[in-house]
Amino acid sequence: DTAVSQTPKYLVTQMGNDKSIKCEQNLGHDTMYWYKQDSKKFLKIMFSYNNKELIINETVPNRFSPKSPDKAHLNLHINSLELGDSAVYFCASSQPVSADNEQFFGPGTRLTVL
Amino acid sequence: AQSVTQLGSHVSVSEGALVLLRCNYSSSVPPYLFWYVQYPNQGLQLLLKYTSAATLVKGINGFEAEFKKSETSFHLTKPSAHMSDAAEYFCAVSPPGAAGNKLTFGGGTRVLVKP
Repeated sequence: DTAVSQTPKYLVTQMGNDKSIKCEQNLGHDTMYWYKQDSKKFLKIMFSYNNKELIINETVPNRFSPKSPDKAHLNLHINSLELGDSAVYFCASSQPVSADNEQFFGPGTRLTVL
Repeated sequence: AQSVTQLGSHVSVSEGALVLLRCNYSSSVPPYLFWYVQYPNQGLQLLLKYTSAATLVKGINGFEAEFKKSETSFHLTKPSAHMSDAAEYFCAVSPPGAAGNKLTFGGGTRVLVKP
């Protein structure tokens, strides 16, 4: 059984388009995250939701909008895609919101903006 | 603000040799510390974590790490490398008591294991 799943796995699109990445976890966790991993493998947190409420919002362009319809899902919508958005995006979850808890990561979505 | 430095973006070891990956952190208070591993084309998986209990932490796959407050370090070791250890390794910190579980990652170290 997949714990944290993301769709799609690969996403190739043109500059200026709008795209979404979906994330689902079946671990019963309350907290979910989005991370961006750039071409140099540097990982940085973007957002975190706890029980559908936004609790971490890093300095991310407002073209990026997370949406959590329920605590098992956290989707990422990106408007007006730019070349610099090309990266691997990872979803993660943990339970409960506590600094020492393990985060469980999805397999990633590789976004390529042409 | 916290930061994590991993010395060496690439490490090459022979199969059976010691694996040593270095991690130093900067934080105003001792943070929680983690090592994650990323196999090719996969997400990250927790190897081990330090949460202010024992300073020597044992993890999965024979890895262990030692928290040294005086050196602000949390180096990862494995006595004998296996081919399956070839992967990217990330050290991360999380401030205790902070709102949310905000991991700050180091730049990663790629491990290559030679037969």
